[in-house]
Amino acid sequence: GENVEQHPSTLSVQEGDSAVIKCTYSDSASNYFPWYKQELGKRPQLIIDIRSNVGEKKDQRIAVTLNKTAKHFSLHITETQPEDSAVYFCAASITGRRALTFGSGTRLQVQP
Amino acid sequence: KAGVTQTPRYLIKTRGQQVTLSCSPISGHRSVSWYQQTPGQGLQFLFEYFSETQRNKGNFPGRFSGRQFSNSRSEMNVSTLELGDSALYLCASSLSSGTLAEYFGPGTRLTVT
Repeated sequence: GENVEQHPSTLSVQEGDSAVIKCTYSDSASNYFPWYKQELGKRPQLIIDIRSNVGEKKDQRIAVTLNKTAKHFSLHITETQPEDSAVYFCAASITGRRALTFGSGTRLQVQP
Repeated sequence: KAGVTQTPRYLIKTRGQQVTLSCSPISGHRSVSWYQQTPGQGLQFLFEYFSETQRNKGNFPGRFSGRQFSNSRSEMNVSTLELGDSALYLCASSLSSGTLAEYFGPGTRLTVT
């Protein structure tokens, strides 16, 4: 089955800096890659997603890049703010399987 | 538009008992998926339903089952509870069959003693 590895497990940045979280997946048939933000005690929130026919997608300060050859995808957050502090999860879904495999999460802390 | 709701929010059960959790998706959403979240195992996929059909099931024992009703509401059942079943159970809904887990519910915190 699919396996998703996520790095780093914790990330601390200064307010205004950029943060990058990387995930690798094992099955080349994966075609859908969402990212979720989960604040302490709250539900996961879908913040951006990308499909395998697209190499990059941006939404304001957030961007995701996908390298199908290397089987990895990354979340980029620019101009970080304290409210970006949360746990971020990547996930991957294999075509037609209707199931998400999640990475282990990255705890991002933005220092004011 | 109301979000995804789950009931109950908290539950304490004893080993060997069974439990039923409920999820109401966003109105119009036909895909409902369930996940187990624990500190040790993270987020793990349980099942996905679309128009009352289970389209996939994760790697969980047969004690975990689910169903979806014609109004898209979904339930999951865990029989013969074990201590390791203690977790946050999350459901999520999606509008189309092309996406998964667009909106999560608040979860049901299950504690097995």
